[in-house]
Parts: sequence; C-alpha cells; structure tokens
Amino acid sequence: GAGVSQTPSNKVTEKGKYVELRCDPISGHTALYWYRQSLGQGPEFLIYFQGTGAADDSGLPNDRFFAVRPEGSVSTLKIQRTERGDSAVYLCASSLTSGRTRSTDTQYFGPGTRLTVL
Amino acid sequence: QKEVEQNSGPLSVPEGAIASLNCTYSDRGSQSFFWYRQYSGKSPELIMFIYSNGDKEDGRFTAQLNKASQYVSLLIRDSQPSDSATYLCACSSGTYKYIFGTGTRLKVLA
Repeated sequence: GAGVSQTPSNKVTEKGKYVELRCDPISGHTALYWYRQSLGQGPEFLIYFQGTGAADDSGLPNDRFFAVRPEGSVSTLKIQRTERGDSAVYLCASSLTSGRTRSTDTQYFGPGTRLTVL
Repeated sequence: QKEVEQNSGPLSVPEGAIASLNCTYSDRGSQSFFWYRQYSGKSPELIMFIYSNGDKEDGRFTAQLNKASQYVSLLIRDSQPSDSATYLCACSSGTYKYIFGTGTRLKVLA
C-alpha cells in the first residue's frame, strides 16, 4: 500500500480482556516501530523491529504487552488483561532502513488504533 | 531522563503571518531532529527533518537547528487556516528511538 495501515481504527474492550492491534508497514520498509500516544501528549516509544526480531522493546510498559513480526512485514501488538490506563492511541511507524542513512531511517506513521478500555 | 520541551500553546497567529514554533532538548547526543504535524484525531505527518546546524527551507517551512543551545525551531511563512494543527518536535540520538515533545497547538486565524 501507499502508506502504513493499522487495524482496527477503533477498539473498545472491557477491563481484563485481551486485544490485538495490527500494523502493515509501507512496502519494502524493513524497520517497524510501535508508539503509544495519550491525550495531550506526544507519542511514546514502545518497541522497534528490525526485520523479524525485536531490536529494542525497552518502551513496553510491562509484561502484559507483547509484539511480534513473524515474517518481517506485518506486526501485531498484543495486550493481555487490559487496564483502563491502557486507553490511548497506538501508533505504528515504519522506515526504509534503520542504521543506514538518516534520511532513509526517517519514520512514517500510520493512522493509529484508538483503544478504549472500559 | 531525555526530554524534549515544547510550549503547549495554543499559539494564535493571523492568516498570512509567520508562525514560530520552538523546541528544546536535553540530550546533547541528539543527532536528528524532526517536525511532525498532527491534525486532531489524525496521525503525525512528517513535515521536515534537519541534521545540521543552521536553516533548512522547504516551501513555506524553515527548520532551524542550534546544537550549542539545544534548540530547534520551525517557521511557517504565510500561515494559512489549514496549518492549524499540533506540531510535534522529535529528536533522535540513535537511528530509531524518537523522543517526542508534547506538541504545540497552532491556530491560524482567518
């Protein structure tokens, strides 16, 4: 596709439920990133994939959060036992490269998934 | 704690004026700097990136970087009502982890 796509655009769930958020990066982009944006805040880094492996997951808030990218393209962010504090917009970004040149490392964002935990 | 500071605004400017958006950062190792525009309810859209001290111009936008002062700014010339949005400043010391400010809300008054 032309840009990063994310599904669903909105997700409403109940406290304690499990959710999966999907990201489809720009075709050919090797690096993929997840961020979380709360109301009135800037995006906050969660995890970065180079290919299939999570190169840096230091931003994941706790072990209820997990992300995979099994074939080096689509990624899924998984949240177990959701809590009301998890409510936010989850943004995915991709870049052509990571660690090559600063211009090709530039990140482009998808439309986000708005998660609401009741 | 690496921080990026922005005035939350709103910054109100009349149509046709120059809007000046500012950002300071704490990590002296920051090498790459980005300005994203975010309309309400939408995702961040890249406007400009800058790596070297000085000015970088792209159409109505000029990014300015002063590494000694740890200061980045974005100037928008001939501001239009369609420029009304939140502008996010982001810095990166490596190649992947962007640190974002909270954004400055710009209102261009017709």
